[in-house]
Amino acid sequence: QQQVKQSPQSLIVQKGGISIINCAYENTAFDYFPWYQQFPGKGPALLIAIRPDVSEKKEGRFTISFNKSAKQFSLHIMDSQPGDSATYFCAASKAGGYNKLIFGAGTRLAVHP
Amino acid sequence: DAGVIQSPRHEVTEMGQEVTLRCKPISGHNSLFWYRQTMMRGLELLIYFNNNVPIDDSGMPEDRFSAKMPNASFSTLKIQPSEPRDSAVYFCASRGAEAFFGQGTRLTVV
Repeated sequence: QQQVKQSPQSLIVQKGGISIINCAYENTAFDYFPWYQQFPGKGPALLIAIRPDVSEKKEGRFTISFNKSAKQFSLHIMDSQPGDSATYFCAASKAGGYNKLIFGAGTRLAVHP
Repeated sequence: DAGVIQSPRHEVTEMGQEVTLRCKPISGHNSLFWYRQTMMRGLELLIYFNNNVPIDDSGMPEDRFSAKMPNASFSTLKIQPSEPRDSAVYFCASRGAEAFFGQGTRLTVV
């Protein structure tokens, strides 16, 4: 029940295309769902996060879609750019900043020019 | 705030030696997490603290690993004795409303 399943493992997208990464969880107590972006040699950086009171959150070219009934959430990167090439991690957590984040396995995104 | 600060950034040590990794969390954050990242296992949570108290250390792989948080602004992860399979990148993260990671310590045990 503590797992977060992330897919695909790797993704290749052409510049200008849409990148879509999906995550699924089982624990209905989870109510905080962040996405992290990691470049080689760097720590994961918080990209965007959502709570289940909304079904979608958009920040620039990045959008999280959330489906509470299906226990799924996804990251969409619009107009993908070569600079978006990185590893993306979804995560989930119970309410409260004192709870641990459970991470997905990561998706390695390559955006080709 | 300078973010989560980890030191050293790189550590190369011989098998059997003691290794100490250090972390300074973001001021005001009440939770601190130690993660290990490898190609094979991804991001693994080793241990986390709330208000300087260890809450869950079930991810600590062996007794060779220990972690302390003597105050709100400092934590250490110690490996004694170190082994080649401990080679990985170790991340510290701190959390208030959101969680932020440090830049990591790349540990190589030869």
